[in-house]
Amino acid sequence: QSALTQPPSASGSPGQSVTISCTGTSSDVGGHNYVSWYQQHPGKAPKLIIYEVTARPSGVPDRFSGSKFGNTASLTVSGLQTEDEADYYCSSYAGSNDWVFGGGTKLTVL
Amino acid sequence: EVQLVESGGGLVQPGGSLRLSCAASGFSFSSYDMHWVRQATGRGLEWVSGLGTFGDTYYPASVRGRFTSSREDAKTSLYLQMSNLRAEDTAVYYCVRGSYCSGRSCYPVGAFDMWGRGTMVTVSS
Repeated sequence: QSALTQPPSASGSPGQSVTISCTGTSSDVGGHNYVSWYQQHPGKAPKLIIYEVTARPSGVPDRFSGSKFGNTASLTVSGLQTEDEADYYCSSYAGSNDWVFGGGTKLTVL
Repeated sequence: EVQLVESGGGLVQPGGSLRLSCAASGFSFSSYDMHWVRQATGRGLEWVSGLGTFGDTYYPASVRGRFTSSREDAKTSLYLQMSNLRAEDTAVYYCVRGSYCSGRSCYPVGAFDMWGRGTMVTVSS
């Protein structure tokens, strides 16, 4: 199973919105509504911020939102804050009890 | 407090074996799918194994036949037995909580909602 494709980097100024894409195939992203997103700060473990494409765990600000169209899922961070600077990873169910992650996107808040 | 604490990492020679452990606390361990996810230094995340509440196990092709995961619900512990290790297995290994399961119904799907701090495995001669 190949990794999902994410842009290596993204950036935005405080207060702006930024969208990170995650492209897979009809076998993973396009075939299941089980896309999740994770935020990872340097030296820390990943943190779940979006699951089942659009759902947010308790405690995650509503500035974080998820969507999907076809084989591409997206994470949008609105009202960027300095603490949003981190690496972001998408993940998808790929069928047959298989899971695949994206390569990660480094978000810089300018 | 929900907590996952990994142990057992270290330096091992190519072809060698290592057993990782994960001690879980603060939640009903036996009711959750559990996973191992690894991350090589400066690289992305890679799913390594999944273990259901009935002991069913799942692996990607990259480790199938070399890695075996197991659980001991009475000790609220998860294990990963790794054999025939290769240099490309070098990574931080995270213990991860997955879906809550009631019988065969598990939800939410694919929400890896709790992660340990990880344990480093280095495969080198």
